[in-house]
This record gives sequence, C-alpha cells and structure tokens, in this order.
Amino acid sequence: DTAVSQTPKYLVTQMGNDKSIKCEQNLGHDTMYWYKQDSKKFLKIMFSYNNKELIINETVPNRFSPKSPDKAHLNLHINSLELGDSAVYFCASSQDPIQPQHFGDGTRLSIL
Amino acid sequence: QKEVEQNSGPLSVPEGAIASLNCTYSDRGSQSFFWYRQYSGKSPELIMFIYSNGDKEDGRVTAQLNKASQYVSLLIRDSQPSDSATYLCAVKSSSNTGKLIFGQGTTLQVKP
Repeated sequence: DTAVSQTPKYLVTQMGNDKSIKCEQNLGHDTMYWYKQDSKKFLKIMFSYNNKELIINETVPNRFSPKSPDKAHLNLHINSLELGDSAVYFCASSQDPIQPQHFGDGTRLSIL
Repeated sequence: QKEVEQNSGPLSVPEGAIASLNCTYSDRGSQSFFWYRQYSGKSPELIMFIYSNGDKEDGRVTAQLNKASQYVSLLIRDSQPSDSATYLCAVKSSSNTGKLIFGQGTTLQVKP
C-alpha cells in the first residue's frame, strides 16, 4: 500500500483554469506538507498542516489554497493557473513537525 | 548566502569508490538534518537523518555532522551504479514552525 498518495500523477491544463491536487496518507501521521519543485529541481515548502491546523504558510500567491478535511488528507487548490505554476508538486507527511518527512510520488503540473 | 548550500555537481566516482557529498547551512540554531535521494522523475526518499554531532552509520552510508562548522556530509562507501541520483540535504529551521529547508541537490554519477 502506498503510504503517501497523490492524485492526479499528471495534470495538463490551460492558463487561467482552476485545478485541485489531492493527497492522502495512511501512516497515521499528524503533519502534512505541500512542496513545489521547479525546473531546476529546487524543492521548496509551501504549506504545512498539523492536526488540521495551518502551521506553515510560505510566501506563495493567494491563488494557492490548501485544505485539510482531516489529518489523513491535505488537498491543494490552485485558481487562475499561470505558466509559472508549471512544476512538480509533492505532498509529504510526518509523525509530527519534528520527525522525518515522507514524500508522495508527486504531481507534474504543466500549463499550456 | 543561501540557507542550505550544496555543490550541484555532477560528482562522478568509479564503482566501488567512496562518494562524499557535502552541505553547509546558515541557521546556527538548526538541530535536525536529513539526506534524501531523488532518482530522476521520482520523489525524494529519506536515506538518513542526524541530530547529534559526530557520525551516524547505516549500512554503506555514513552521515557526519559538525554544528560548530555548520556542516553536514554524507559518505557512500562501495558506490554502486544504482546510487546514481541527486542527493538533497535538508535542514530543519530553528523557527517554531520547524520548516524543512532544502539545498539544491548534488548529482552523483557512479561509473561502472
């Protein structure tokens, strides 16, 4: 069973559209994260939730909105997609904010 | 100065040799350090974490930490072609959010 799973794996869409990426973890972890990895492979934190509470909210456009319906799920909604949003988005989870993080397989977002 | 710095490489070593990957960080208060391996097109995979000064060994891999010098390294003994990947150094921030800050990664090539 996949520990941290993301859907979809690939997302190709037009500029200006709104899209969502879903993440689920079955590890019983309390903390979940969204990262963005750009074309230069630089991995940067976007958001983190601990027990459904937002604890990290980096400087990202407010077109990006995370939602955590429960501890096992953290979704990412993106409004008005722009060319610069093209990247791989990784979800991760950890037992708590201190413990090591485990990553999902990533969602490759391509904006046409 | 970048918060976490790595030489992007590529670092090329012959099969069977020792690969040495280095990382420096700027946050003196950081207490937790992680190494992730990322194969091309795949997600980051945790291979080592270290919290205390000194060495930590796990199989062919040793992590070394020197907090006074703000330096962490990863040694891979008896390198194999399957070790060829990008190695990401990650440092947990001393801020109360505990966010993980990644270096740009070092690409390792192990030649048969």
